[in-house]
Amino acid sequence: DARVTQTPRDKVTEMGQEVTMRCQPILGHNTVFWYRQTMMQGLELLAYFRNRAPLDDSGMPKDRFSAEMPDATLATLKIQPSEPRDSAVYFCASGPASGRTQYFGPGTRLLVL
Amino acid sequence: AQTVTQSQPEMSVQEAETVTLSCTYDTSESDYYLFWYKQPPSRQMILVIRQEAYKQQNATENLFSVNFQKAAKSFSLKISDSQLGDAAMYFCAFEYSGGGADGLTFGKGTHLIIQP
Repeated sequence: DARVTQTPRDKVTEMGQEVTMRCQPILGHNTVFWYRQTMMQGLELLAYFRNRAPLDDSGMPKDRFSAEMPDATLATLKIQPSEPRDSAVYFCASGPASGRTQYFGPGTRLLVL
Repeated sequence: AQTVTQSQPEMSVQEAETVTLSCTYDTSESDYYLFWYKQPPSRQMILVIRQEAYKQQNATENLFSVNFQKAAKSFSLKISDSQLGDAAMYFCAFEYSGGGADGLTFGKGTHLIIQP
């Protein structure tokens, strides 16, 4: 049963620390998305890639967030330095080249103290 | 830019009854996809149902069905014979279909409570 995996599941860190979240998309999927979920803002698109190329990162705070796909099996989202307002659940989702369904990972719950 | 509105923050229904969750959206595009996702307490996002805007026929998936009214920009979800396992947050989402996939726009969600 193919699924998107994300690590870590939960992360507690202190303000100012670097945070790296990892995502392994479903094998064969060529599109990868990063979303953030908070109580106040709901689910927001942060960035996405197609065939490992970044297409849109307009939803991300540019000064502290960065997203990359070093290879087809790994996507990363980094926050440096982290701030308490970054506390949220971060989801990765992947989708095939054809069709529109996105498959979500279990999310990384981040708490910045 | 498109927006998605779910006007019901919370809904409660008796087990085995039918419930309808509302969703409206605003877009200037004519080609798009609409989705309902379910998020149980485990926080996993699970696709419930998908509708292509060019299709007039309403999508169905087991006990889930939608009422898609393109002119009214309305996309409601009906859950028939609701079960305790249907209790979750439900999110309506929109995606423009021009070119490749370019990300979902979500509503704020409806918290569905199933009363035993």
